[in-house]
Amino acid sequence: DIQMTQSPSSLSASVGDRVTITCRASQSISSYLNWYQQKPGKAPELLIYAASSLQSGVPSRFSGSGSGTDFTLTISSLQPEDFATYYCQQSYFTPRTFGQGTKLEIK
Amino acid sequence: QVQLQESGPGLLKPSETLSLTCTVSGGSISNYYWSWIRQPAGKGLEWVGRIHASGRTIYNPSLKSRVTISVDTSKNQFSLRLSSVTAADTAVYYCARDSEAAMDLNYYYYMDVWGTGTTVTVSS
Repeated sequence: DIQMTQSPSSLSASVGDRVTITCRASQSISSYLNWYQQKPGKAPELLIYAASSLQSGVPSRFSGSGSGTDFTLTISSLQPEDFATYYCQQSYFTPRTFGQGTKLEIK
Repeated sequence: QVQLQESGPGLLKPSETLSLTCTVSGGSISNYYWSWIRQPAGKGLEWVGRIHASGRTIYNPSLKSRVTISVDTSKNQFSLRLSSVTAADTAVYYCARDSEAAMDLNYYYYMDVWGTGTTVTVSS
């Protein structure tokens, strides 16, 4: 299986901060990388697909970049509703695999 | 807008078969792939498998011997069966729509609509 490794596993930040989360694949997945946000007790929500395409309805402060094995999710200016856990997921190989998650907490 | 809702028993005994159904409302089940994903409490997400409305399936190899995903287009539903469950199968189970985007001569897949999730506990 393709291993997806996110860093950091947890992150403390303040409202207004710029935050970057990294995801690394164990082998090249081209741009077949999606990002999801999950809040406690809720289902994940799609933020970014195909590495850099913003899902409809998602605020423009979210952006994604990368290809091959290294990807980033950036939140340009943290809002209170952004404190959640973020997961990357590859859709190039079967089985689909997720990163272990990055928990973004309020500083 | 499309909504998904999981349903099924929440408590199973070891060795029993887990059976869940996902009902699709607000849109047709046709022409899409549909996935099951699970998440043990406090842990990450595991993709279980997916089915196309035509019936074509792909399973996670780690579960393949125990998993069956089926579709009933007349009811706009798809289902998950997982046999011989153990405590390790205790998790929140989500169903999701697997959409595709055609870009640069490639098709990119992503799960854009999710159900609210249903908790399944396996305990004697």
